[in-house]
Amino acid sequence: DADVTQTPRNRITKTGKRIMLECSQTKGHDRMYWYRQDPGLGLRLIYYSFDVKDINKGEISDGYSVSRQAQAKFSLSLESAIPNQTALYFCATSETQRENFHNEQFFGPGTRLTVL
Amino acid sequence: AQKVTQAQTEISVVEKEDVTLDCVYETRDTTYYLFWYKQPPSGELVFLIRRNSFDEQNEISGRYSWNFQKSTSSFNFTITASQVVDSAVYFCALSEALRDDKIIFGKGTRLHILP
Repeated sequence: DADVTQTPRNRITKTGKRIMLECSQTKGHDRMYWYRQDPGLGLRLIYYSFDVKDINKGEISDGYSVSRQAQAKFSLSLESAIPNQTALYFCATSETQRENFHNEQFFGPGTRLTVL
Repeated sequence: AQKVTQAQTEISVVEKEDVTLDCVYETRDTTYYLFWYKQPPSGELVFLIRRNSFDEQNEISGRYSWNFQKSTSSFNFTITASQVVDSAVYFCALSEALRDDKIIFGKGTRLHILP
């Protein structure tokens, strides 16, 4: 079974609709992240959470919101979807950093979102 | 400001050739971490390697090797005797010690291995 799962895997929606993307992990990691990937732009950080009570904006948080329902769950919402939010969305997790050691992030399989 | 540049947008080589993917980074921190991830056509992101700024030893893992040079702020990735299964997008990434564990990704290099 996958350690980091995302639902749905694919979604087509219309402009103005509210959309929620869900991420669950069984790795026991405290830290979770949401990224979007656009062709030619790499991955850009939307939001991240270091624990259930800690939510932080990334570089492109406008138009998005998140909810950390539990250590294992981190949801991304588009309150009113627009076409330029069409992208591939990834959830990732990592262990809490130890001093002078940055852990790698483990990624989910991605959600392909199309906003018409 | 932290930045990762992968100048090669797309590379095509014939199977069994060696290929090097370039990565140049910018950071003001003395302590930082560099990563490489692979994204095969199936879309998932696979962690390949992490290197911290205090360890300049080159790393070899099978056909993969990494050359870290602080003098040129580069962390290049070489695939020896490439195979069709190496076809993927490869991302280089940077994490600064003072910016917690936020990772900044390069834009990726799409590698095509031709049979």
